[in-house]
Amino acid sequence: QSVLTQPPSVSGAPGQRVTISCSGTRSNIGAGYDVHWYQQLPGTAPKLLISSNINRPSGVPDRFSGSQSGTSASLAITGLQAEDEADYYCQSYDSSLSGSVFGGGTKLTVL
Amino acid sequence: MHLLESGGGLERPGGSLRLSCAASAAPVGSGFAFSTFAMTWVRQAPGKGLEWVSGISHSGDSTYYTDSVKGRFTISRDNSKNTLYLQMNNLRAEDTALYYCAKSSGTLWSPYSFFDSWGQGTLVTVSS
Repeated sequence: QSVLTQPPSVSGAPGQRVTISCSGTRSNIGAGYDVHWYQQLPGTAPKLLISSNINRPSGVPDRFSGSQSGTSASLAITGLQAEDEADYYCQSYDSSLSGSVFGGGTKLTVL
Repeated sequence: MHLLESGGGLERPGGSLRLSCAASAAPVGSGFAFSTFAMTWVRQAPGKGLEWVSGISHSGDSTYYTDSVKGRFTISRDNSKNTLYLQMNNLRAEDTALYYCAKSSGTLWSPYSFFDSWGQGTLVTVSS
């Protein structure tokens, strides 16, 4: 059971918009700790997608965006492409555990 | 920064392994200073999600662990060799995973740290 809760799967057709939620508590996201997002393509290492809630590293398309409110955060992907099919993970810090924590991951399927 | 893990393998429960993560400049010729970044280990059990394992400050003076490995795993670094280590003792079946090293976003380990460069991982299998 992950400290941060993500839906196991989401799907969308090419060109559509999807969102992936990351639900936390008052000891992590709700405490003001930043949320970061990673993309893991099949058989590869994770890659940083969004840092500090909303920031896109160089090279990440602006189709990817992040937001945070209260005890939750979201990753939005617009203009879905086949190459976006991957697992997505949120990450934050939990003060009760005194360490970094990941969500359980969400598998995105492009129909 | 390019990161290359090694040291994984098959070990029996109760055994030990030492993982290494060698850092180098990427692209080649670009400046990088391993000693200025905090580092971390993250693992992924087969078919499962990511789990943060341990973190270390740029100097090695401060270390952090997830509860399940405290007292069994030790993170360390040798900045003169641009190498990060994870000494794993008293291994359990539940430690079976692909272990990634990753560069943290700052010098010090911080609650706001994120991981902006990852290696390809080294597989640890604990089984009798």
